Amino acid sequence: AQSVTQLDSHVSVSEGTPVLLRCNYSSSYSPSLFWYVQHPNKGLQLLLKYTSAATLVKGINGFEAEFKKSETSFHLTKPSAHMSDAAEYFCVVRISYQLIWGAGTKLIIKP
Amino acid sequence: SAVISQKPSRDICQRGTSLTIQCQVDSQVTMMFWYRQQPGQSLTLIATANQGSEATYESGFVIDKFPISRPNLTFSTLTVSNMSPEDSSIYLCSVAKPGEAFFGQGTRLTVV
Repeated sequence: AQSVTQLDSHVSVSEGTPVLLRCNYSSSYSPSLFWYVQHPNKGLQLLLKYTSAATLVKGINGFEAEFKKSETSFHLTKPSAHMSDAAEYFCVVRISYQLIWGAGTKLIIKP
Repeated sequence: SAVISQKPSRDICQRGTSLTIQCQVDSQVTMMFWYRQQPGQSLTLIATANQGSEATYESGFVIDKFPISRPNLTFSTLTVSNMSPEDSSIYLCSVAKPGEAFFGQGTRLTVV
């Protein structure tokens, strides 16, 4: 069965410090993986996606993620957090046309 | 890509009434998806809507409560029937294209 586990429900970092949001997946197939961001009272926005090309994927707003098949992980990182990064982040696995959503990680940025 | 227009963006409804949410896509798509996002939660798939056939509902969701129409390849509606406060959520429609999924802006429903 396919599943997605976001290891932290909340992550709190200081502005200007690195961000790490962890995601592990389970899939019998070669998955496509995504990170979406949802700002308060806003729609979902695609940050980045992995679709079997380069394992290090760069997204918008300075975010990137690395697909590690041996660890079944797709962690999201950013070198330096900004106040505007405060939001909910979702790791998603896509199998064919079906999306499997992680529970979400709320990123809190301390001034 | 795909642009999805979803309406209404929000509504406050009386319990026992029904609300129909509409989604219009700017291109033809085979499958459209309806999700619910309860407060502070992730997205839960309600059903998959294919044009010309009955929608396929996920466990815990039934057609009587969430009837779906899919009259053509660019449009779908979801009705939340006989609403109760527990139905207060954000409802989103989505389409999947090769390499990416696209979402409407969501309908924020409050049932009072």
